[in-house]
Amino acid sequence: DAKTTQPNSMESNEEEPVHLPCNHSTISGTDYIHWYRQLPSQGPEYVIHGLTSNVNNRMASLAIAEDRKSSTLILHRATLRDAAVYYCILSNAGNNRKLIWGLGTSLAV
Amino acid sequence: DAGVIQSPRHEVTEMGQEVTLRCKPISGHNSLFWYRQTMMRGLELLIYFNNNVPIDDSGMPEDRFSAKMPNASFSTLKIQPSEPRDSAVYFCASSLPSGSRNEQFFGPGTRLTVL
Repeated sequence: DAKTTQPNSMESNEEEPVHLPCNHSTISGTDYIHWYRQLPSQGPEYVIHGLTSNVNNRMASLAIAEDRKSSTLILHRATLRDAAVYYCILSNAGNNRKLIWGLGTSLAV
Repeated sequence: DAGVIQSPRHEVTEMGQEVTLRCKPISGHNSLFWYRQTMMRGLELLIYFNNNVPIDDSGMPEDRFSAKMPNASFSTLKIQPSEPRDSAVYFCASSLPSGSRNEQFFGPGTRLTVL
């Protein structure tokens, strides 16, 4: 199973953009990149996912490097409610339901 | 929809006792996952079901753990006998077979403390 590497923690000021990096140098061609976040005392929730192209939704943007060995989750304007642990996860299209979780990045706002 | 429902929310038991955690997935979802979360190991997948059939139980730590899904709306995770090292938050999640998005919807978790 492909692994991801994220910083343990990051800090941001309110109303400022946040760029959360993720390295996945062993990614295979059929691996999707997923981001989830976990608010305090809650279960994780889906944020965004992508394969090769950059993606945008109402919560965030996902920027994927051309070689796909890294990606960045972008929160355009951080609020206090964005303080959470953010997980970058790879899943193989052939066994898409299994997600392998790391320890994530703890974001303080 | 009420989301994924887990019970109990908190469980405190003594070593050696049997513990049963319960999960009701979101109606219409055909995949169900059991996870365990600790500070040291993070979020670990224990087992997942597809259409009520166990697909991958490689994360189940040992024979003391067992999981069942008798129908599409109910699953249990049982620990017998329980040990202090089983103390963790146990999450249940469900998902639809919807292509690449593969969004898993998590319940609120059960915090288990084994004394």
